[in-house]
Amino acid sequence: ETVMTQSPATLSVSPGERATLYCRASQSVSSNVAWYQQKPGQAPRLLIYGASTRATDVPARFSGSGSGTEFTLTISSLQSEDFAVYYCQQYNNWPPITFGQGTRLEIK
Amino acid sequence: QVTLRESGPALVKPTQTLTLTCTVSGFSLSTSGLSVGWIRQPPGKALEWLALIDWDDDKYYSTSLKTRVTISKDTSKNQVVLTMTNMDPVDTATYYCARTSRDSYKYFDYWGQGTLVTVSS
Repeated sequence: ETVMTQSPATLSVSPGERATLYCRASQSVSSNVAWYQQKPGQAPRLLIYGASTRATDVPARFSGSGSGTEFTLTISSLQSEDFAVYYCQQYNNWPPITFGQGTRLEIK
Repeated sequence: QVTLRESGPALVKPTQTLTLTCTVSGFSLSTSGLSVGWIRQPPGKALEWLALIDWDDDKYYSTSLKTRVTISKDTSKNQVVLTMTNMDPVDTATYYCARTSRDSYKYFDYWGQGTLVTVSS
């Protein structure tokens, strides 16, 4: 099973600043990584797939990068609505499909 | 407009079998390349993938739960059903169904709103 490890667990950033979230795979997953945003009481929302492709209607301030085992989600200028929990997911070595444990992005 | 909606009991007793239904609209369960999966999330915890069924009825299961979980679909009713046997309090979670992308890659582009299932006597 491919384990996805996210860091940090919690990230405190001020509005307008840049946030960088990390996801590491225990073995290569090529570029088959997705990122999701989840707000309290809501279902996850797809942000990024293929490691770097933004999903429909996702603002350009969200960007993804990486391949192999190291992946990054960057939010260039944080807006109030961006404070949420973010999950990475690999879909290269499946089953099983695996998610990271999440990074909570909070207001500093 | 693609939508998914989960339905099922909010409360089940330990050892009982849970049956959840995902009713979809805006797409067909027989569309080539599409799949529907189930993912759960215990309160305050991370997402956990449970099972997935392809458009051609191939089925895939979580390694740790495959002895307890069954997924099936009824294309004519636009429904995907998840059953989980021998429920335990640790299975208390919000259960989501979600659709994978149309390009056969297994990331989830549309999600239901989720249904909270509590396991308690």
